[in-house]
Order: sequence, then C-alpha cells, then structure tokens
Amino acid sequence: DAKTTQPPSMDCAEGRAANLPCNHSTISGNEYVYWYRQIHSQGPQYIIHGLKNNETNEMASLIITEDRKSSTLILPHATLRDTAVYYCIVRSVFNTGKLIFGQGTTLQVKP
Amino acid sequence: IAGITQAPTSQILAAGRRMTLRCTQDMRHNAMYWYRQDLGLGLRLIHYSNTAGTTGKGEVPDGYSVSRANTDDFPLTLASAVPSQTSVYFCASSDSSRSTEAFFGQGTRLTVV
Repeated sequence: DAKTTQPPSMDCAEGRAANLPCNHSTISGNEYVYWYRQIHSQGPQYIIHGLKNNETNEMASLIITEDRKSSTLILPHATLRDTAVYYCIVRSVFNTGKLIFGQGTTLQVKP
Repeated sequence: IAGITQAPTSQILAAGRRMTLRCTQDMRHNAMYWYRQDLGLGLRLIHYSNTAGTTGKGEVPDGYSVSRANTDDFPLTLASAVPSQTSVYFCASSDSSRSTEAFFGQGTRLTVV
C-alpha cells in the first residue's frame, strides 16, 4: 500500500470549513484513498473513501486531484466535536492485506 | 447492535504473565486486524487475518501471536508480557470482498507492571 504524508497538526475556527490535505504521490491505479478519524480515547471511525472521483457523504467531502497524487478532506462546517486525529490511508481496491495508518493530522477546532 | 467487541476493557498485568485479548465481530467480515497505540503515536499494525484460517504479520508482531479459527473471533496473545507492551490495543474488521470501511472496537487498555 502506498505511503501517505499529512501535516502533523492544523487549527480551524468553529463553523468554518476544515481542509485537511494528504499527499500520496506513489498511489497506484487500484488503490483507494480512505479517511478515518480518532476522537480522543476512542477507536478510529471511518469517514469517507474514493478512487478517483470526488465523493461526499453526510460527514465530509473528499477531493482527489486528477493525477490522484493528493487529496483533501473537507469538513464543511467544523464543530468542536470534530477535534480529532485524522488519518489518510491508501489501500488496494481488493481490500485485503495490511491496513496501515500513518501519524495523521491532529485537527483542533477552536471556538 | 452489530459491531466489534473487545474484552477486557482494561487490565493490569504482571510482567511475565500470559494474557489473551479477545475480539469478536458479528458482521461476518473476512478480514480482522490488531493494532496497538502508544501515547502520542498513531496506530501500529500487530497482526492481521484476511480470512479464517490465515494470519499475517504487521509492523510490530514480535511478542504477540494470533489465531483465526473462525470468522468471528481473532484473539491476540501475549505469551510473556513485558512493560513495553503497555499500550491501548484496538481490534478491527472489514469485508475484504468489497472496498468498504473497517470497523474498530473501543480498545483494551493494558498496563504491564
């Protein structure tokens, strides 16, 4: 599975959009981009995933660049409860084998 | 409610003792995983299993063993615990037949003294 690079930390004002970047320049054609988050002390929670098209669900939007080498997770209206560590993971479409987490981005939403 | 159950929630264990962390899922997922998370660090994969009867080593497998006798259970065993195995352990599962998300348990906090 391809390696990902994320900034270690970011701040966001409550009510504003949080844009979390992820670099995955070695991604291959059969790999999805997944985003998870971990709120303090809890197990990680799935947010969204995509292959090459932009995706949106009730939690967030995922924007993947045309060359698929980077992506951005967008939380449109961040709340204090969105404060968490956000992990970007690249994984095979066959969804087998290792599921490797990097260090993630700690998002602090401030009032 | 469907999901993953880990037991115990927390445990204090004397060094040198044997310990098995239990993980059960009721979603009939093929793949299961064990992670450890240390203070200030991300999740590191210990062992995984793509399907019942098979297991594989993750990033930090030393000192741990797993078995996958059936689809639902994936126990993690520490044969002789050491203080460096003090950590929070998370179990997860996913359906390997589709590109869906992995579901995580709430973790087991283990302290080896």
